[in-house]
Amino acid sequence: DGGITQSPKYLFRKEGQNVTLSCEQNLNHDAMYWYRQDPGQGLRLIYYSQIVNDFQKGDIAEGYSVSREKKESFPLTVTSAQKNPTAFYLCASRPGLLSGDGYTFGSGTRLTVV
Amino acid sequence: GENVEQHPSTLSVQEGDSAVIKCTYSDSASNYFPWYKQELGKGPQLIIDIRSNVGEKKDQRIAVTLNKTAKHFSLHITETQPEDSAVYFCAAQSSGGSYIPTFGRGTSLIVHP
Repeated sequence: DGGITQSPKYLFRKEGQNVTLSCEQNLNHDAMYWYRQDPGQGLRLIYYSQIVNDFQKGDIAEGYSVSREKKESFPLTVTSAQKNPTAFYLCASRPGLLSGDGYTFGSGTRLTVV
Repeated sequence: GENVEQHPSTLSVQEGDSAVIKCTYSDSASNYFPWYKQELGKGPQLIIDIRSNVGEKKDQRIAVTLNKTAKHFSLHITETQPEDSAVYFCAAQSSGGSYIPTFGRGTSLIVHP
């Protein structure tokens, strides 16, 4: 079955650490996205990518970094510069950036600072 | 930019009742309106969508209506069941710019058996 796989499901970060969240899709989608979800808030866009080796900042990119070396993969690194990283992180994809279609989401990674 | 307001934030119904969630948007250029269902601990799932050239769309027990003049759209769930309990998000998206949707803040629907 085609879909998006996010790993790990739960992740714990110590103060000052960088951590990387994995997102892999086998839908042959060009466009991929990272969102942050906090309780009572909507989905906030962190980064998105239209094509391999290209990505754009979203609304809350500070303290995060991404790479897009392969079409299937769009990992998100939460750096130590992100002061409040505890949240639920969602990866999504769709056929193309200029696609008038909805997203396919992964099952999410819950990141907690310890 | 686009602004999407979603109401109510919480909706509690009895099994078998109908549920209605409403969203308003500000950008008249928005032309695609998806709805997502998010179960606890999972990612959102697209359940229905509507484009601006259509006023209503149905899929079994769920339907979406769109009023372009008033800039609002609504999700209707009939004969609710306990498994409908989840958080529902609306979104509005235009064909201008990067096609990035703007999401509402979500509605927590609780269906009591």
